[in-house]
Amino acid sequence: DAGVTQSPTHLIKTRGQHVTLRCSPISGHKSVSWYQQVLGQGPQFIFQYYEKEERGRGNFPDRFSARQFPNYSSELNVNALLLGDSALYLCASSFRIPNEKLFFGSGTQLSVL
Amino acid sequence: EDKVVQSPLSLVVHEGDTVTLNCSYEVTNFRSLLWYKQEKKAPTFLFMLTSSGIEKKSGRLSSILDKKELFSILNITATQTGDSAIYLCAVERSGGTSYGKLTFGQGTILTVHP
Repeated sequence: DAGVTQSPTHLIKTRGQHVTLRCSPISGHKSVSWYQQVLGQGPQFIFQYYEKEERGRGNFPDRFSARQFPNYSSELNVNALLLGDSALYLCASSFRIPNEKLFFGSGTQLSVL
Repeated sequence: EDKVVQSPLSLVVHEGDTVTLNCSYEVTNFRSLLWYKQEKKAPTFLFMLTSSGIEKKSGRLSSILDKKELFSILNITATQTGDSAIYLCAVERSGGTSYGKLTFGQGTILTVHP
């Protein structure tokens, strides 16, 4: 079975641009979460979606938005990119919430120049 | 604000050594504490400890949770070079607007030399 897949794996953008990151959960998993991991730190929670509804939101500005599609895949959008948005963006899926355990993808490495 | 503090931040040992990684936490409405191993990019699940399961063991790895003192320990015995990784501790709260959110610590970087 395929694990959590994310695309693209690497991305380079310039300040002020917009970016869309994509995530496909493990088959049968209905919850998708997004995390931001800055180098040298642990992942920080951005959003959780379950059955296409937002169920949790972290302390991120409104430039960050996400959605979940009927097939349970998800997109994370970031507008007006800042240098500080450079990070590894991790997607995780779980069968249900509360989480039994999260399965993480390999992430998208975003560099903002 | 939920808080997770891991120590040490980094650790260098030789194969065969036993290591103990520490995780202390403060969280409202605690539900569970999780340990993950991050080798390259994707954190991989190790253990989940809740009020009903405060000690877990899998091979050379084991973990305990002390809910009274608000900490957890991850032990690795007979370390191997393949154990070299970042070990992340996270806590999950129950309910509220941050339902399902994991709060991670900074991680412990473990390096095992042959």
